[in-house]
Amino acid sequence: RKEVEQDPGPFNVPEGATVAFNCTYSNSASQSFFWYRQDCRKEPKLLMSVYSSGNEDGRFTAQLNRASQYISLLIRDSKLSDSATYLCVVKRNTNAGKSTFGDGTTLTVKP
Amino acid sequence: NAGVTQTPKFQVLKTGQSMTLQCAQDMNHEYMSWYRQDPGMGLRLIHYSVGAGITDQGEVPNGYNVSRSTTEDFPLRLLSAAPSQTSVYFCASSYSWGGGEETQYFGPGTRLLVL
Repeated sequence: RKEVEQDPGPFNVPEGATVAFNCTYSNSASQSFFWYRQDCRKEPKLLMSVYSSGNEDGRFTAQLNRASQYISLLIRDSKLSDSATYLCVVKRNTNAGKSTFGDGTTLTVKP
Repeated sequence: NAGVTQTPKFQVLKTGQSMTLQCAQDMNHEYMSWYRQDPGMGLRLIHYSVGAGITDQGEVPNGYNVSRSTTEDFPLRLLSAAPSQTSVYFCASSYSWGGGEETQYFGPGTRLLVL
């Protein structure tokens, strides 16, 4: 079983839709969680960190459920520019510098 | 700041050849990592470093060597290239871990084809 698992999609949604991605992790010692965005053939860039209490940044909301070991990303009012691959990243603070990436979920927003 | 830079952008190698992928960062980050990304997959950690003179293996280290003689540079060496090493290689750096300052900054990647 992979340490970090994501639904690969693709998710095809119309502009203005709300879409949610889930990510599960297997190691209960995981401490830090992130969502990165990767555009086609480009480098990943941090979208947002995920905090225990949940956090929101504009149209994006991230949540963490430690008991069930999953994190989620909700995108409201989807824009064409949201089309990308979204990577879930998990880090164990006992191993500084070492992150584990999920395989990513691909989102295509259509007019 | 230039951020994280990688050279070359593209490279074609023949099986058995060796080469070094260069990575440099000008943000004074302690942590640097090398990942490979195969089509349709996420990033897999090859090697990482938590500071100058300190390196460790990641998930897929076989066939690769690294060293970290300075804070700024973290080269990745392919010892004897194999077709299975055809991939996109990303270098990343981060300032710290914990306390929210864990953002990894990635270079633009090196696309490697091994024939």
